[in-house]
Amino acid sequence: GQQLNQSPQSMFIQEGEDVSMNCTSSSIFNTWLWYKQEPGEGPVLLIALYKAGELTSNGRLTAQFGITRKDSFLNISASIPSDVGIYFCAGRAAGGGADGLTFGKGTHLIIQP
Amino acid sequence: NAGVTQTPKFQVLKTGQSMTLQCAQDMNHNSMYWYRQDPGMGLRLIYYSASEGTTDKGEVPNGYNVSRLNKREFSLRLESAAPSQTSVYFCASSEIWRGIGEKLFFGSGTQLSVL
Repeated sequence: GQQLNQSPQSMFIQEGEDVSMNCTSSSIFNTWLWYKQEPGEGPVLLIALYKAGELTSNGRLTAQFGITRKDSFLNISASIPSDVGIYFCAGRAAGGGADGLTFGKGTHLIIQP
Repeated sequence: NAGVTQTPKFQVLKTGQSMTLQCAQDMNHNSMYWYRQDPGMGLRLIYYSASEGTTDKGEVPNGYNVSRLNKREFSLRLESAAPSQTSVYFCASSEIWRGIGEKLFFGSGTQLSVL
């Protein structure tokens, strides 16, 4: 099946810093979704991307669908304490069936006081 | 709008016991899914249902059965629970948003421990 690599695995940052994380796949994707998960809760959809080169924002979050269609990036500007959580990418390979998405293993975002 | 609702939130079972995890969505989505989430393994698909009346195996279906009761409800059954099934389970449903692309929405999860 498809391989989806998400990095970094964890990030320790200061409040106010910008954050950047990415996902890369071994095959071409036609959908990229970014999620945030907080302890004891399910993943919440942040941003959805459907076209190569697409750049979409949701408040302080911005995500991009890579030109090669094999990667996607999520940036968080001016981080605040409530940004703490695990961020997941998910994607669907071009020509993929109805069997769901491929998920990255997540980036743990930790904000140091 | 409740979205995807799962019950129970927590469950402890003894090895060999059976139970059913319930899931319902109120968004009129055709596709529904069951995932399990384990540390270091990410989210793995157990079963999915592309439409009412159909179900298919995902990546890790062994030890589970599902029922798509109607368009709203998709249940997951463990017939004889094993410690390896200790995990957090998520139900999800998806739509094709505005004819453009897929969006997947998750429930809040069921934390299952099998002793």
